[in-house]
Amino acid sequence: GAGVSQSPSNKVTEKGKDVELRCDPISGHTALYWYRQSLGQGLEFLIYFQGNSAPDKSGLPSDRFSAERTGGSVSTLTIQRTQQEDSAVYLCASSPGTGTRNTIYFGEGSWLTVV
Amino acid sequence: AQSVTQLGSHVSVSEGALVLLRCNYSSSVPPYLFWYVQYPNQGLQLLLKYTSAATLVKGINGFEAEFKKSETSFHLTKPSAHMSDAAEYFCAVRGDTGTASKLTFGTGTRLQVTL
Repeated sequence: GAGVSQSPSNKVTEKGKDVELRCDPISGHTALYWYRQSLGQGLEFLIYFQGNSAPDKSGLPSDRFSAERTGGSVSTLTIQRTQQEDSAVYLCASSPGTGTRNTIYFGEGSWLTVV
Repeated sequence: AQSVTQLGSHVSVSEGALVLLRCNYSSSVPPYLFWYVQYPNQGLQLLLKYTSAATLVKGINGFEAEFKKSETSFHLTKPSAHMSDAAEYFCAVRGDTGTASKLTFGTGTRLQVTL
């Protein structure tokens, strides 16, 4: 596609349920990133992938959070047993590579509300 | 480790006035610096980036930023504000090492443009 595509764009879930957020990066981009944006916390890095491997998952806030990437393309961020503090916008981004000169392009985000 | 500090969480200017959004960085290695803009309910869009080629960087929508090593600053400016510039602006840094692939963001500055 022309840009980074995320789905769903909005998700309301009950506390304790599991959710999956999907990211489809720009075609050909080998690097993929997940960030979380919430009030009072700004933009937090969660994890990044180079191909299907995740060299840096240091930002995942707890073991309830996991992510995978298959085929070097689509990625899924899974949150198990959601809590109200998980409410945030989850942003996915991709880049042609992980080199620092490469521009990182962002999707429009998945808005998650846990009630 | 790299970090950026944005001074002023909210900035208000009159239409036609100079826009100045401040960003200072901290980095133990030569930094790569970025400014992103986020319009309401949208993802992040790259405005401009500094990758050591030139200290004055011109971006989209008439914005520019100057890298000043002596001041560890990368302030964003625009000579004349438009109503359409109202948005949130994020400064970000990446280190010049292979393992520092992620972007680290500042806390953001919300720009308000008044008539």
